[in-house]
Amino acid sequence: GDSVTQMEGPVTLSEEAFLTINCTYTATGYPSLFWYVQYPGEGLQLLLKATKADDKGSNKGFEATYRKETTSFHLEKGSVQVSDSAVYFCALVRSSNTGKLIFGQGTTLQVKP
Amino acid sequence: GAVVSQHPSWVICKSGTSVKIECRSLDFQATTMFWYRQFPKQSLMLMATSNEGSKATYEQGVEKDKFLINHASLTLSTLTVTSAHPEDSSFYICSARDRASANYGYTFGSGTRLTVV
Repeated sequence: GDSVTQMEGPVTLSEEAFLTINCTYTATGYPSLFWYVQYPGEGLQLLLKATKADDKGSNKGFEATYRKETTSFHLEKGSVQVSDSAVYFCALVRSSNTGKLIFGQGTTLQVKP
Repeated sequence: GAVVSQHPSWVICKSGTSVKIECRSLDFQATTMFWYRQFPKQSLMLMATSNEGSKATYEQGVEKDKFLINHASLTLSTLTVTSAHPEDSSFYICSARDRASANYGYTFGSGTRLTVV
């Protein structure tokens, strides 16, 4: 079945460091891919998305490119801030799967000043 | 942008009682609502999918008689945890799918922290 695998956390970085959170997926066809962010005690917010191969999603300095050949959607940011500390979830959806989002296990990011 | 209002944000109840959680889409019509459960430091587990005016579809292993879902209108879905027990303590999150969105627009509620004592 469909699945999403994220790198294990927590990831601890100093402010202004470069961030990469790896995400790979298994799915038939051409799923849409998402990154969501969850701040403590809150629901999820969409960070960015890509709906077809080679698309690049970007928002708030974060970006991720839909790589069909490597079935990956790695999240990157050039310079993280303390306010980026949160849990990040990679997810996919297939149109034939009743629209259900399949989530990765989440990666906790902690940015220290 | 699209907003989903989820209430209450936290609730404490006694074992054996029932708790209702509401999710409302404030400025769009939600044809589909998803209910998730999240354990500490874990991912979201989909509990059920509800479509307006029809019965919810539950994921394997989720007790439909314990977690009652009602999606009576295009803007409101409720999850009722019946005869709650301490093991039902968790963070519950709803998500609404925007009917008008062409790219799988999902909007999440802010979550409900349920503690059963």
